[in-house]
Amino acid sequence: DTEVTQTPKHLVMGMTNKKSLKCEQHMGHRAMYWYKQKAKKPPELMFVYSYEKLSINESVPSRFSPECPNSSLLNLHLHALQPEDSALYLCASSQDRETSSTDTQYFGPGTRLTVL
Amino acid sequence: RKEVEQDPGPFNVPEGATVAFNCTYSNSASQSFFWYRQDCRKEPKLLMSVYSSGNEDGRFTAQLNRASQYISLLIRDSKLSDSATYLCVVMGYNFNKFYFGSGTKLNVKP
Repeated sequence: DTEVTQTPKHLVMGMTNKKSLKCEQHMGHRAMYWYKQKAKKPPELMFVYSYEKLSINESVPSRFSPECPNSSLLNLHLHALQPEDSALYLCASSQDRETSSTDTQYFGPGTRLTVL
Repeated sequence: RKEVEQDPGPFNVPEGATVAFNCTYSNSASQSFFWYRQDCRKEPKLLMSVYSSGNEDGRFTAQLNRASQYISLLIRDSKLSDSATYLCVVMGYNFNKFYFGSGTKLNVKP
């Protein structure tokens, strides 16, 4: 089973709201990722967690706050977002490069976020 | 210079045609290579990993040329359902970092 799940599928929020995106995988993967994707563009890396520790932050604004409560879960907390943050937010997971020289990412279906 | 470069297309081909996409990468230390397919408003899905020896999966053939730092994807006997954006993805030497090409759009017409 190569399934990554994400909730919610769609989210509309105002600029003063606080919301969270959730991601879950049960493949035993130890690396998890958040990507942001705008229309007609490739996914853009935001954060990487490896063994539940934040290993990469691609200079993402602090209004995005990731959290990895355990090896299966990944959250993205949103606060005071801007309309230009509207996008598809994709979660992905992979085994982790330290244990697999040919690592492969599997993506969840994404959360389509609209900021009003 | 971008880490991974692809021709954005679109490639408009008739059903049954053979179409090839190329992708180049800049870092010779890159470790692993992949083609993903992404349908409109959906997530990227792994199409195939790309190995030095080349690999084939049905109508799809992927090749890696490390000397020239490019990856190719060949689709034979195109189907309408092959219409999608094809993303070239390279796993860099940097820990757990995957680099995406801009994607190549394929439209297969009846």
